Amino acid sequence: GQQVMQIPQYQHVQEGEDFTTYCNSSTTLSNIQWYKQRPGGHPVFLIQLVKSGEVKKQKRLTFQFGEAKKNSSLHITATQTTDVGTYFCAGNPALTFGSGTRLQVQP
Amino acid sequence: NAGVTQTPKFQVLKTGQSMTLQCAQDMNHNSMYWYRQDPGMGLRLIYYSASEGTTDKGEVPNGYNVSRLNKREFSLRLESAAPSQTSVYFCASGGRTNAYEQYFGPGTRLTVT
Repeated sequence: GQQVMQIPQYQHVQEGEDFTTYCNSSTTLSNIQWYKQRPGGHPVFLIQLVKSGEVKKQKRLTFQFGEAKKNSSLHITATQTTDVGTYFCAGNPALTFGSGTRLQVQP
Repeated sequence: NAGVTQTPKFQVLKTGQSMTLQCAQDMNHNSMYWYRQDPGMGLRLIYYSASEGTTDKGEVPNGYNVSRLNKREFSLRLESAAPSQTSVYFCASGGRTNAYEQYFGPGTRLTVT
């Protein structure tokens, strides 16, 4: 079945540094979503990528979908303390979530 | 507009007891989902409902049953709780134009002793 691996599991950065998390699927995906979950909270939808090679930006966040539609990345430029949380990717059609990358930002 | 609501927020069960987790959404979404999240792990899909009157198994359906009562409500039932079902349970609903854009409820933290 479809498996989605996410790396790294954890990253601790100084405020202002950049951050990247990667998702890799064992199968070709139809689309992929990214979610953010604050500590003690619930996942919140960030974005969906559908097309091969697609790149989308939301302010300091840049999302990419690989050409083969088997991998994706989320890059945050100049992290802020408000970026703290766990970032998950979710690959479809099997609605498989990665295990998440927990981001800690040191002020 | 409350979004997705779940009850209860917390629950402690003894092994073998049964309970139903309730979920409701007021966004007129067709799709609804139940996930479990274990410490340090991602979400795993238990069951989903693509539309009123239909339900399908996800990745980890064993030990659970669901009911799509109407378009708003989707309940998850544990018939005979086991310690392995200790987890945080999230309900979600899918957007009207994009079922994969999911809106999550606040979760139910369940402990089975």
